[in-house]
Amino acid sequence: GENVEQHPSTLSVQEGDSAVIKCTYSDSASNYFPWYKQELGKRPQLIIDIRSNVGEKKDQRIAVTLNKTAKHFSLHITETQPEDSAVYFCAATENTGTASKLTFGTGTRLQVTL
Amino acid sequence: NAGVTQTPKFQVLKTGQSMTLQCAQDMNHNSMYWYRQDPGMGLRLIYYSASEGTTDKGEVPNGYNVSRLNKREFSLRLESAAPSQTSVYFCASSGQGYSNQPQHFGDGTRLSIL
Repeated sequence: GENVEQHPSTLSVQEGDSAVIKCTYSDSASNYFPWYKQELGKRPQLIIDIRSNVGEKKDQRIAVTLNKTAKHFSLHITETQPEDSAVYFCAATENTGTASKLTFGTGTRLQVTL
Repeated sequence: NAGVTQTPKFQVLKTGQSMTLQCAQDMNHNSMYWYRQDPGMGLRLIYYSASEGTTDKGEVPNGYNVSRLNKREFSLRLESAAPSQTSVYFCASSGQGYSNQPQHFGDGTRLSIL
């Protein structure tokens, strides 16, 4: 099955700086890579996703890059703000033929300090 | 449009008791999923249902059973609760299991087993 590793486990940045979270995956057949943000006590919410036919995707201050050869993908947050403080999860899809199962990384706790 | 609704939000059980966690979605999604979230371990897939009438095991199915009652509802049952099943349980749904559509999560059920 798929294995997803995520680093770092915690990340502290000053407001306005950039934050980068990295993930690696094991299954070369995986082709969909979403990122979720989870605030304390809340549900995970999708913030951006990328499919394997695309190398980079941006949405305002958030971008994701994918390197299929190296089997890693990264989340980039620019101009960080206090409301970006949360736990971020990467995930990769394992296609079973009948469904897409997400395998999640263990999460990165991002703290944006003033 | 409520999205994914989970009940109950909180529950305390004694070891050996049974209970059913309910999940319903109103987005006409084909696929539904049950995850558990433990500190430092991200989200782990318990069971999923690619479509109405089908269910399959995920990464951590032991001690659980599921029922896909209809297209809207997917329940998770603990037959004999154990302290190791203390966790936050999330239900999710997606539009088409095989085509890598985003998964949308409910608010979670916080379950404590004494």
